[in-house]
Amino acid sequence: EAQVTQNPRYLITVTGKKLTVTCSQNMNHEYMSWYRQDPGLGLRQIYYSMNVEVTDKGDVPEGYKVSRKEKRNFPLILESPSPNQTSLYFCASSLLGQISGGWGNEKLFFGSGTQLSVL
Amino acid sequence: DQQVKQNSPSLSVQEGRISILNCDYTNSMFDYFLWYKKYPAEGPTFLISISSIKDKNEDGRFTVFLNKSAKHLSLHIVPSQPGDSAVYFCAASATNTGTASKLTFGTGTRLQVTL
Repeated sequence: EAQVTQNPRYLITVTGKKLTVTCSQNMNHEYMSWYRQDPGLGLRQIYYSMNVEVTDKGDVPEGYKVSRKEKRNFPLILESPSPNQTSLYFCASSLLGQISGGWGNEKLFFGSGTQLSVL
Repeated sequence: DQQVKQNSPSLSVQEGRISILNCDYTNSMFDYFLWYKKYPAEGPTFLISISSIKDKNEDGRFTVFLNKSAKHLSLHIVPSQPGDSAVYFCAASATNTGTASKLTFGTGTRLQVTL
């Protein structure tokens, strides 16, 4: 089954304790991205990657790191989490750039989300 | 700076009636627009899209209308069904710029379809 898998689904941590949220896709997508969803702010892009070893900042990259060492995985790293990073996080992937037609044909597939609470 | 705005946080519609969800944008470079639907405890899923060269796109019960001069788009669901109850996100992209790989999402509208 084609899917984007995030782990864990729920995570409670304390300020300053490094954590990693994993993301894996089995669709051979080159494009992957991380979003956070906050009440009243919608989905905001944190980082994205167009291919292996190619990553770029989104709208809200501060406090986050990513890496793309292989095509299927795109982990999100919080080196020193703070309470303002409490949020619902989504990983997504797409064929963007691999076929023609843009975002409609190269749909963005989302994982089920990771609810992070930083105390 | 919210470039994509959904001014109605929630909407309640009776089953069988039309649901109209609205979205406004400020960036004139946006030329591709999408709607995503999100159920609780799931990630968003693609619903329908429209290019700026069109003013309407239809897919079954779902139709998206684009008014470029007003920088406004709307999603019509006819007839509305209880299974349509979800949060709907509008998204936009500037495909002819260096930010073509970026999708900017709105804040979402929670639709409740009542029996």
